[in-house]
Amino acid sequence: EDQVTQSPEALRLQEGESSSLNCSYTVSGLRGLFWYRQDPGKGPEFLFTLYSAGEEKEKERLKATLTKKESFLHITAPKPEDSATYLCAFQGSGNTGKLIFGQGTTLQVKP
Amino acid sequence: GAVVSQHPSWVICKSGTSVKIECRSLDFQATTMFWYRQFPKQSLMLMATSNEGSKATYEQGVEKDKFLINHASLTLSTLTVTSAHPEDSSFYICSARGPFDNYEQYFGPGTRLTVT
Repeated sequence: EDQVTQSPEALRLQEGESSSLNCSYTVSGLRGLFWYRQDPGKGPEFLFTLYSAGEEKEKERLKATLTKKESFLHITAPKPEDSATYLCAFQGSGNTGKLIFGQGTTLQVKP
Repeated sequence: GAVVSQHPSWVICKSGTSVKIECRSLDFQATTMFWYRQFPKQSLMLMATSNEGSKATYEQGVEKDKFLINHASLTLSTLTVTSAHPEDSSFYICSARGPFDNYEQYFGPGTRLTVT
């Protein structure tokens, strides 16, 4: 069964303290691994798409990487405004376009 | 680019009434739209997949007659919650996938539904 697991569920960091969020998946035929940021009461905001193992993408303090079994979202020198829930999702090989979401990691960055 | 809007952003209705939520892709044509619901501190749960001009495909456990989905054009999909009850209170979010090869979905800002 296709599934995705995120860890940790919650993460508290001091401003400037770098860390990584994990997204592990079991899926047959990965078409894409997606990272989203969600603020309370809002829809998810698209961050990255990764398509194949070894791929990396960066945006400001965020860097996403992908292996055959997991993806990491690295946060370098985070700021309080990076506090949010980070969701990963994958799309399998079917043509429906459905995304399977993990439960998310809620990040709190304290000043 | 790739902006998706939802209307209304929040709605309060009485038990037994129906509520319609609109989802629009503003700067691209959405070949497929998706409807999700999200309960507090939980992840997104896919309710249905909607393709323009055809019937929606509902996920297991989602009542078709209760959650009516219409995808009348390439930029508009609507979700109607019929005979709403307090347990239907939730955060409803739509997403749209464009005619791109990148499989990316772009999400609307969500609609908070409260049924009293």
